[in-house]
Amino acid sequence: DVKVTQSSRYLVKRTGEKVFLECVQDMDHENMFWYRQDPGLGLRLIYFSYDVKMKEKGDIPEGYSVSREKKERFSLILESASTNQTSMYLCASSSVGQGTDTQYFGPGTRLTVL
Amino acid sequence: AQSVSQHNHHVILSEAASLELGCNYSYGGTVNLFWYVQYPGQHLQLLLKYFSGDPLVKGIKGFEAEFIKSKFSFNLRKPSVQWSDTAEYFCAVNAPGNQFYFGTGTSLTVIP
Repeated sequence: DVKVTQSSRYLVKRTGEKVFLECVQDMDHENMFWYRQDPGLGLRLIYFSYDVKMKEKGDIPEGYSVSREKKERFSLILESASTNQTSMYLCASSSVGQGTDTQYFGPGTRLTVL
Repeated sequence: AQSVSQHNHHVILSEAASLELGCNYSYGGTVNLFWYVQYPGQHLQLLLKYFSGDPLVKGIKGFEAEFIKSKFSFNLRKPSVQWSDTAEYFCAVNAPGNQFYFGTGTSLTVIP
């Protein structure tokens, strides 16, 4: 089974702090994704990566950056956390190829910014 | 850009009732279609998916979905729901090899 793990289930930070959210997958997937999930808004894509050191902006990249130095690890960075970034953050990974576009999700990190 | 609409935001059913959750998408080309489920306190899990072939897709736990290309729809169905089906359900679409687009989710509550 695919396993996607996220470094923290719950995180509380103060406004202005730099925040790192880590995601690791163990299935050698090429693609990795960061979403935020908010009530009534569903999942919105922040950033994704198709390969090591590659990144693409999703629908809501403002205020975020990412890093992918190794294939299995994809980090989301909040350079200066703000209260409107309080949310559930979900990491996902998927393979490449016909019929394999299925995303596997981690358990999520619930971030509260005070 | 693609978009996905889930018209039912909250659904409340009694056990044994039948379920149908609507999902419509906007994209003119070939798409992959998915339903994900998120049980309370758990992570998102794949319920079923459609890539090609038979438009009636069967998933886990007795769920099925039908792809109707002419209507750009991929509705989720279950003939008889159980209390354990209480969860949030998300429809998702992607053009092969491209990013996913998710609907806003439907919260299902099943009353014993």
